[in-house]
Amino acid sequence: AQSVTQPDIHITVSEGASLELRCNYSYGATPYLFWYVQSPGQGLQLLLKYFSGDTLVQGIKGFEAEFKRSQSSFNLRKPSVHWSDAAEYFCAVGAPGGADGLTFGKGTHLIIQP
Amino acid sequence: NAGVTQTPKFQVLKTGQSMTLQCAQDMNHEYMSWYRQDPGMGLRLIHYSVGAGITDQGEVPNGYNVSRSTTEDFPLRLLSAAPSQTSVYFCASSYVAGEPEAFFGQGTRLTVV
Repeated sequence: AQSVTQPDIHITVSEGASLELRCNYSYGATPYLFWYVQSPGQGLQLLLKYFSGDTLVQGIKGFEAEFKRSQSSFNLRKPSVHWSDAAEYFCAVGAPGGADGLTFGKGTHLIIQP
Repeated sequence: NAGVTQTPKFQVLKTGQSMTLQCAQDMNHEYMSWYRQDPGMGLRLIHYSVGAGITDQGEVPNGYNVSRSTTEDFPLRLLSAAPSQTSVYFCASSYVAGEPEAFFGQGTRLTVV
């Protein structure tokens, strides 16, 4: 069965500092991997996705993520965070059109300190 | 571009009442699904459909019914609401093949009292 672990429930970062959110997955085949962001009271917005090819993927809002098969990881990074990045971040694995849909991690709540 | 549209955005039900959460997409996606989001639990799959007339259960299907009579619509029915069904519900759609990026609706916040 597929699963996702986001080890950090909360992360606090100072504005302008760099950010890394961790994601580890378990999946039986080559995974489809996603990062979503959810602002308070809002739906989920796709930040970036990995299906194949270059293991470093660029997303919206200056985010990037690196797929490391040997570590079963897909960590999200941003070189300099802005106050508007405060939100809940979800890592997900799976084929959205597949029988198991997407499996989400429990989320990481990002707090930005001024 | 409407994308995935969910109605209503908010709903309060009494225990035992029934209701239908509506979901419609205009992207001609074959795959549609319903998730529920609970604090500290992430999103969990309730039901999904790979095309009109085909539905199946996800991780947490109990207490919910779905049908898919058209490609565009995928309603979620609560037969007899319970307080444990208080949650935020998200509908999503995607293509089945190719690069299956999932598009999400804005969510329905349901409270069962």
